[in-house]
Order: sequence, then C-alpha cells, then structure tokens
Amino acid sequence: DIVLTQSPATLSLSPGEGATLSCRASQSVDNYLAWYQQKPGQSPRLLIYDVSNRATGTPARFSGSGSGTDFTLTISSLEPDDFASYYCQQRSGWPRTFGQGTNLEIK
Amino acid sequence: QVQLQESGPGLVKSSETLSLTCTVSGGSIRNYCWSWIRQTPRKGLDFIGYICYEGSGGGSTNYNPSLGSRVTISVDPSNNRFSLQLTSVTAADTAVYYCARGGGTPDVWGTGTTVIVSS
Repeated sequence: DIVLTQSPATLSLSPGEGATLSCRASQSVDNYLAWYQQKPGQSPRLLIYDVSNRATGTPARFSGSGSGTDFTLTISSLEPDDFASYYCQQRSGWPRTFGQGTNLEIK
Repeated sequence: QVQLQESGPGLVKSSETLSLTCTVSGGSIRNYCWSWIRQTPRKGLDFIGYICYEGSGGGSTNYNPSLGSRVTISVDPSNNRFSLQLTSVTAADTAVYYCARGGGTPDVWGTGTTVIVSS
C-alpha cells in the first residue's frame, strides 16, 4: 500500500495567518493527490483534487502544490471556518489510501 | 445536488454480517463509481472498496485486499442505491462507515453511520 505521511500532526495558528500542511508519499503518486477537510461530526469534504485543482465551492485561499512524493496544501489567510482536520488521499494505487491527518487548531 | 444517505443496523454481533445501504438522491447511480470508506480513531480513513455500474444491473468492483473475501459491494440501479456486506465482523470493524461517489477521489460523501460490533 502507498503510505501517506502528513506533517505536522497538529498546527496551532491564529485567524489571518497562513498555513502550510505537508503530505509525503512512500512512492510516487504522480499527480493523483487530493486534500479533504473534516470537521467534528461531519464527513470529509473534498477541497483539492489532482494536486492543485480546487473542487466546486473551495475558496481561492486554498491551494495545492507538489509532485511525485511531496505535496503541500496552503491556506493563504486563515478564516475561523478553516480550523478543522485535513487529510491527503492518493488515487494512484490500489487500495486508495489517506494520510493520518493534520489537526489545524486555533492558537 | 446529489446527496447520499447510509442506512443499516448500528449494532452488529461479532462473527455476523454487517450490511449497509447507501441511497443516492438528486442524480443517477448509473453514471459513476460508488465507494464505501470507514473511519476509526485508531486507523483513520480506510477505503473499503468501490463499484462501477456497467449496465444490466451489475458492476465491476475493487476491494481492499486487507479485507480479503469478507467484503461485497453491490448496486441496485432500479432503486438508485448500492450496498455493503462485510462478513465475520470483529471489534476491529467498529467504525463510522461512509458511502461516497467516485472510486478515485470521492467528491460527494454521505453523512456517515456508526456501526458498533458487540461481543
């Protein structure tokens, strides 16, 4: 299985600050890397697919980058609604796998 | 817009079969692949498998090898729903189960249903 390792596990920031979340794959996933946001008690919501494509409804402050094995989700200026858990997911191999998540919390 | 809703027993006895159904509303099941994904605090998000409708009431499937032959996903196009069966469950199968649209990068998810396996 392709293992996705996210860092940091927890990120404490204030509204208005920028956030950088990382995801590293155990082998190349080409450009087949997505990012999801999940809030407590809710299902994951697709934010970014295929590295850098924003899903419908994803605000422009969210951007994705990277290639091969190293990927980044950047939130340019944090809004109160952005504090949540974030997961990367690959569709390059089977089974599809998710990272363990980064918990973005209010400082 | 498309909405998905999981349904099924919230409590299953150990060694028995877990059965869940996902009803799709606001769109046809015939044009997409459909997945089951589960989540636990310990293991996180885990892709169970998916089915792609291929006509004549059937579909092609892909299952997580970690579940071996315990899992079956089927589709019921006449009722616009698809189902999950997981046999011989143990406490390790206790999780929140989600159905979702897409077999690669699921873009629409159900709200999730908690299934507890009891001994």
